[in-house]
Amino acid sequence: DSGVTQTPKHLITATGQRVTLRCSPRSGDLSVYWYQQSLDQGLQFLIQYYNGEERAKGNILERFSAQQFPDLHSELNLSSLELGDSALYFCASSVRDSSYEQYFGPGTRLTVT
Amino acid sequence: AQSVTQLDSQVPVFEEAPVELRCNYSSSVSVYLFWYVQYPNQGLQLLLKYLSGSTLVKGINGFEAEFNKSQTSFHLRKPSVHISDTAEYFCAVSSNTGFQKLVFGTGTRLLVSP
Repeated sequence: DSGVTQTPKHLITATGQRVTLRCSPRSGDLSVYWYQQSLDQGLQFLIQYYNGEERAKGNILERFSAQQFPDLHSELNLSSLELGDSALYFCASSVRDSSYEQYFGPGTRLTVT
Repeated sequence: AQSVTQLDSQVPVFEEAPVELRCNYSSSVSVYLFWYVQYPNQGLQLLLKYLSGSTLVKGINGFEAEFNKSQTSFHLRKPSVHISDTAEYFCAVSSNTGFQKLVFGTGTRLLVSP
């Protein structure tokens, strides 16, 4: 158990809908990273927050957004969902900003039908 | 920018046999290297990492990897695998300065059979 929690575990929704994925980092970690794991794209970095501020963006679509709240939990919002958004979404956390030493949560499996 | 190539998408092996999972990377700057394991329906767990120093690094569960700068490789090895090692293995690289984004390879599925 890495100490990173993600909810929900599974999510099934229809095309065009909007969903919110939630991540709670390990106690004491200030950075949160979001990744998408899909069959065709592999594991890709989406976005990183440190202590409430956006720090880095990767291959994140404009339909996706994220934020980190004062209690350091983070939410990833996915809107206008398409079939291709079906994937496993991981959250990771680290103590330091922009660190390689990341601890991964169990992921949220999103299925868009 | 960094990139990682894992040439083998799947490696079948018998229990107690040795295994090597290959990883090559590309980078214009010095890097840190990692191997992660993903068991079914679970998140990623760090197996081992190379930051500096000895090129042979030992990780959890009896795995080890060797950093070869001239060949830009970081192959993962285990002398004798168990059924429980069946999982997906990801090689990853990050810059050792600035924003240390993890860049992952496409993964290698290790299938251990009796």
